[in-house]
Amino acid sequence: AQSVTQLDSQVPVFEEAPVELRCNYSSSVSVYLFWYVQYPNQGLQLLLKYLSGSTLVKGINGFEAEFNKSQTSFHLRKPSVHISDTAEYFCAVSLFSGGYQKVTFGTGTKLQVIP
Amino acid sequence: NAGVTQTPKFQVLKTGQSMTLQCAQDMNHNSMYWYRQDPGMGLRLIYYSASEGTTDKGEVPNGYNVSRLNKREFSLRLESAAPSQTSVYFCASSRGGAENNYGYTFGSGTRLTVV
Repeated sequence: AQSVTQLDSQVPVFEEAPVELRCNYSSSVSVYLFWYVQYPNQGLQLLLKYLSGSTLVKGINGFEAEFNKSQTSFHLRKPSVHISDTAEYFCAVSLFSGGYQKVTFGTGTKLQVIP
Repeated sequence: NAGVTQTPKFQVLKTGQSMTLQCAQDMNHNSMYWYRQDPGMGLRLIYYSASEGTTDKGEVPNGYNVSRLNKREFSLRLESAAPSQTSVYFCASSRGGAENNYGYTFGSGTRLTVV
């Protein structure tokens, strides 16, 4: 079975400061990794994904994430946040099982950007 | 492009009433999913349809039924609503298959309150 842990439920950060949102996963097989963003009263949008290849993945809106197999982590980073980045961020792992892509989501991290 | 369309956006039900949440996608995706989102619990899979003509239970199927009407549409039915089903419901779709992992496309959600 796969699982995802997002230890920080809320992360406050000042505007233009860097931020890191942490994600750790567990799985007995290789998985695909994703970050989704959810703005208030909206659905989730794909931010970035890691399937294979380079462990540093760049996504939309200046975000990037690094896959670390030895630490089973996939932390999300941005060097300088903006007010518009205020949202909830979900880490997810996916593997192909039982004929479909089984996706497990973390519980989410609310990023609050302070002016 | 419409992507994934969910209706209704908001609904208030009395305990014991029934209703159907509608979902349609126009991306020719094979797989479709229904999730519920509750504070602090992330997204939990209710039912999924790996391909047209198939449906399977997810993590929290009790009290729900689904119908994959055709490749485009996947509906979720609450036969006898309970206050515990107050939640935000999201429909999602994906290309499906082992080699196609482009992530999910989500609808904008249905906010359901059961009183």
